[in-house]
Amino acid sequence: GENVEQHPSTLSVQEGDSAVIKCTYSDSASNYFPWYKQELGKRPQLIIDIRSNVGEKKDQRIAVTLNKTAKHFSLHITETQPEDSAVYFCAVSDGGGGADGLTFGKGTHLIIQP
Amino acid sequence: GAGVSQSPRYKVAKRGQDVALRCDPISGHVSLFWYQQALGQGPEFLTYFQNEAQLDKSGLPSDRFFAERPEGSVSTLKIQRTQQEDSAVYLCASSLGSWFKDSGNTIYFGEGSWLTVV
Repeated sequence: GENVEQHPSTLSVQEGDSAVIKCTYSDSASNYFPWYKQELGKRPQLIIDIRSNVGEKKDQRIAVTLNKTAKHFSLHITETQPEDSAVYFCAVSDGGGGADGLTFGKGTHLIIQP
Repeated sequence: GAGVSQSPRYKVAKRGQDVALRCDPISGHVSLFWYQQALGQGPEFLTYFQNEAQLDKSGLPSDRFFAERPEGSVSTLKIQRTQQEDSAVYLCASSLGSWFKDSGNTIYFGEGSWLTVV
């Protein structure tokens, strides 16, 4: 099955600085790569996603880059703000037409220092 | 409602007790997933429904876990004879299209049901 590695597990940055979270995956057939933000006790919320036919996607302060050859993708958050503090999960679809949904990384706890 | 709704939000069960967790997906969504999220971990897949058909249950950890979606909308996850290792957040999620046909439809999550087995 798919194996998703996410790092770092904890990331502390100064407010206003950038944050980068990286994920690698194992299945070269994977074709959909979403990122979810989860605040304590809340639901995972989709913040950005990218499909395998695109190398980069940006939405205001958030961007995702995908390197299919190397099988890794990254989340970039610029001009970080206190409300960006949360746990971020990367996820991968198996792309094989099966029904087992998304495989998630273990999460990155992002801490924005004022 | 506008989002995925789950109940109860919090459940404390005595070991050996049966529990039932309910999910109301977004109206019209074909796909419905159940995930289990242990503390400090990412969600892990349990089972998938396309309308009323359970197409994948490979993630269910034991035969004590059972899920149904009889009319293709509301779903129930039942756990029989609960054990302490069942303590987790159970997340329901839905997607507009068939995930089986296109594994790239956006998945929307509910707030989860927090199960504690004592």
